[in-house]
This record gives sequence, structure tokens and C-alpha cells, in this order.
Amino acid sequence: KQEVTQIPAALSVPEGENLVLNCSFTDSAIYNLQWFRQDPGKGLTSLLLIQSSQREQTSGRLNASLDKSSGRSTLYIAASQPGDSATYLCAVLVDYKLSFGAGTTVTVRA
Amino acid sequence: NAGVTQTPKFQVLKTGQSMTLQCAQDMNHNSMYWYRQDPGMGLRLIYYSASEGTTDKGEVPNGYNVSRLNKREFSLRLESAAPSQTSVYFCASSGQGAGNTEAFFGQGTRLTVV
Repeated sequence: KQEVTQIPAALSVPEGENLVLNCSFTDSAIYNLQWFRQDPGKGLTSLLLIQSSQREQTSGRLNASLDKSSGRSTLYIAASQPGDSATYLCAVLVDYKLSFGAGTTVTVRA
Repeated sequence: NAGVTQTPKFQVLKTGQSMTLQCAQDMNHNSMYWYRQDPGMGLRLIYYSASEGTTDKGEVPNGYNVSRLNKREFSLRLESAAPSQTSVYFCASSGQGAGNTEAFFGQGTRLTVV
């Protein structure tokens, strides 16, 4: 059974600081890994998708890395802003099954 | 671009009542999923469907049934609702094959069972 863990569960930083969010998974035979953002009371918005053959993916201030052999991914958000406050979730796809971590709730203080 | 559409958005049920949550996607995706989200527990997979005509159990299938009506639609049925099924339910879909596996989510159904 695939276990996906996100540490820390919550994070509070001052505006401008870089954010580092971690995701680990137990079964390295993943097809891809996806990072999502969720605002309170809303659905999930896809941020980045990393295929299993890729090492990283970038979009604007966001950069996600993937080390499949060690079962780890890291999401970096540069120069954080109050608008980055949200819950960030990672999910891995194995055998058509998409499994989630519990998320990291981020607060960026102005 | 509708993406993934869930209905209803909100529902209150009495214990023992039944209901069906509807989900439709317009992205020609093969895979569809149903999750529930409870405070502090992340998203837990209830059922998923890798293609039209197939469904499989996820982590928490007890008390639920699903139907993959066609490629577009995947419904979730609660036959006899219980207070423990109070949750926010999300439907998602994704494609298969290289470059097409990004998952997209609906806006959720907030269900309260009293």
C-alpha cells in the first residue's frame, strides 16, 4: 500500500522568505507525482506535474524536484507572498491509483 | 472549459437516506476518481475507475457504490447514509499515456448527514 507523507503539517513564514515543502512516498514505482494547492473551502488546483522520468519541473516561482529512488519530492516556492497562503498537497500515481499526502498548510505573514 | 463538474455542491441528508453524487468530465479522460476529505486526514480514495466499464475499491469503500456510466460520467452512491459519511467529496479525472496524466478536480460536494 502506497503511503504518502508530507512534513511539516503546517508552516508559517514572513513574506519574502523561500518555502520548502517535503513529500515522501513508500512505493518508488510511481508513474508521476503532482503538486496541488487548495484554498479553504475550495477544490484542488494543479501546480506542477513531474513524470517519473523527470528530475524537476518549474513554473514561475515554483520548482519541484523528484528523487524516485529515495521516494522524495520537494516543492520550492521562491520569495513567498501572502497570496501563497494555502494548503499544498502532493499525490503520486501508481497503477491508475492516485494517492495523496495529508498536506502542508502554509501561512505567509505580511 | 468546464473540466470536472460535480453536483450537487451542498447536501444535507438524514441518517438512512440515500443519494447519488454526480460527476462529469469533458476532457476525454479514461481515469476517474472519488475522494473524501475530512479535517486532518487529507484526501482518501473511495473508488476509482481506470476505464469505462471498470471500477476498483480505494482505501475507504465501505458504505459506497459507484457507477462508471460512460467515459464522461462517474457517480457515487450512498445507499444508507450515516453521520460518519459527513465529509467533503471530490471527483477527479486524468488521462493516460505520456504527457496526459495530469489530474483535475471538481469543486467538491459538501455533505452533512444528520
